[in-house]
Amino acid sequence: GDSVTQMEGPVTLSEEAFLTINCTYTATGYPSLFWYVQYPGEGLQLLLKATKADDKGSNKGFEATYRKETTSFHLEKGSVQVSDSAVYFCALANTGGFKTIFGAGTRLFVKA
Amino acid sequence: DTGVSQDPRHKITKRGQNVTFRCDPISEHNRLYWYRQTLGQGPEFLTYFQNEAQLEKSRLLSDRFSAERPKGSFSTLEIQRTEQGDSAMYLCASSPPTSGGANEQFFGPGTRLTVL
Repeated sequence: GDSVTQMEGPVTLSEEAFLTINCTYTATGYPSLFWYVQYPGEGLQLLLKATKADDKGSNKGFEATYRKETTSFHLEKGSVQVSDSAVYFCALANTGGFKTIFGAGTRLFVKA
Repeated sequence: DTGVSQDPRHKITKRGQNVTFRCDPISEHNRLYWYRQTLGQGPEFLTYFQNEAQLEKSRLLSDRFSAERPKGSFSTLEIQRTEQGDSAMYLCASSPPTSGGANEQFFGPGTRLTVL
């Protein structure tokens, strides 16, 4: 079945450091890919998405590129801030799909 | 737009009791989803409604679980004869009619269930 694997955390970085959180997926067909974020004490919210191969999703300085050849959707940010401390979830949903499959989440701590 | 709301936010119950959770989706969203999230894991899909029709149920959803969305608006999730393994965060999400294949979901704050 469909699945998402993301790097284990926690990831601890200093402010202004470069961030990469790896995500790979297994899916039939051509899924849409997502990154969701959960800030402390808040609900899950969509960070960015990509719906087809080679699409780049971006938001709030974060980027991820849909790589079909490597079945990956790695999250990157050039300069993290303390306010980026959160849990990040990689997810997929198949075409016309309603069911979203989530990875286990990666906790990010950013130190001032 | 007040977002997705869930009630209650926390529920503590004794093993064997029945519990019911409510979810109010964003008003123009026709799709509604229930997920379960345990500590250190991502949300796991439980079930999905399009309007009032329940279109899929996960194998995770045993016969002790039932969900309804009687008028295509709010939804309820009931767990009968709760077990300690049911302790988790229950998340509700909603989404508008699909466009372009992407299926962005808007999540509520969740109901945290503790079964003693």
